[in-house]
Amino acid sequence: GAVVSQHPSRVICKSGTSVKIECRSLDFQATTMFWYRQFPKKSLMLMATSNEGSKATYEQGVEKDKFLINHASLTLSTLTVTSAHPEDSSFYICSARDHAGVNFAEAFFGQGTRLTVV
Amino acid sequence: KQEVTQIPAALSVPEGENLVLNCSFTDSAIYNLQWFRQDPGKGLTSLLLIQSSQREQTSGRLNASLDKSSGRSTLYIAASQPGDSATYLCATGGGNKLTFGTGTQLKVEL
Repeated sequence: GAVVSQHPSRVICKSGTSVKIECRSLDFQATTMFWYRQFPKKSLMLMATSNEGSKATYEQGVEKDKFLINHASLTLSTLTVTSAHPEDSSFYICSARDHAGVNFAEAFFGQGTRLTVV
Repeated sequence: KQEVTQIPAALSVPEGENLVLNCSFTDSAIYNLQWFRQDPGKGLTSLLLIQSSQREQTSGRLNASLDKSSGRSTLYIAASQPGDSATYLCATGGGNKLTFGTGTQLKVEL
């Protein structure tokens, strides 16, 4: 299947600082990528849909000024957690769909980023 | 609003046993249904994708079925192995978005 690479896998930051997470589609172009958040022993919650060359679409209750999304190319989307607080500590996962591949609309996921704000 | 439920939440079986994981959804107007595996602290690995026009998909020891009219999907794992231990998530695809179930935590014991 297609490969989605997410970096970093783990990050610890101080409260009040900003953290950037990268999501890359390695062997296909993704006009749309998705950012999820997962709490311990919970399922994935969609935060926003990242659209190449345009503004991201945020889900209800997600602060767009806090979770900045940039999708500047067909293979890269970034999520920046601004002014991070301990309650932002979570597991963040990105996803992309290979619409041109054999498995139409199959979603592939990155390895996830464990963010800990201290 | 789509709601996806998975039963059981946790399952422990001895090695070699065949098992079935269940996934139910409230809105049958889906494009597809996808099963994933998640190891602790890791991302999701796609296992099987069933398009809305399909009834089932098979990959190795895995077989997933889809019954849209009843809002149900099952993932069948044959001859389970300790390496199958993980959390299994189903997700329905409606347009661009995926709606995830709550997951089934599987443990296969020696």
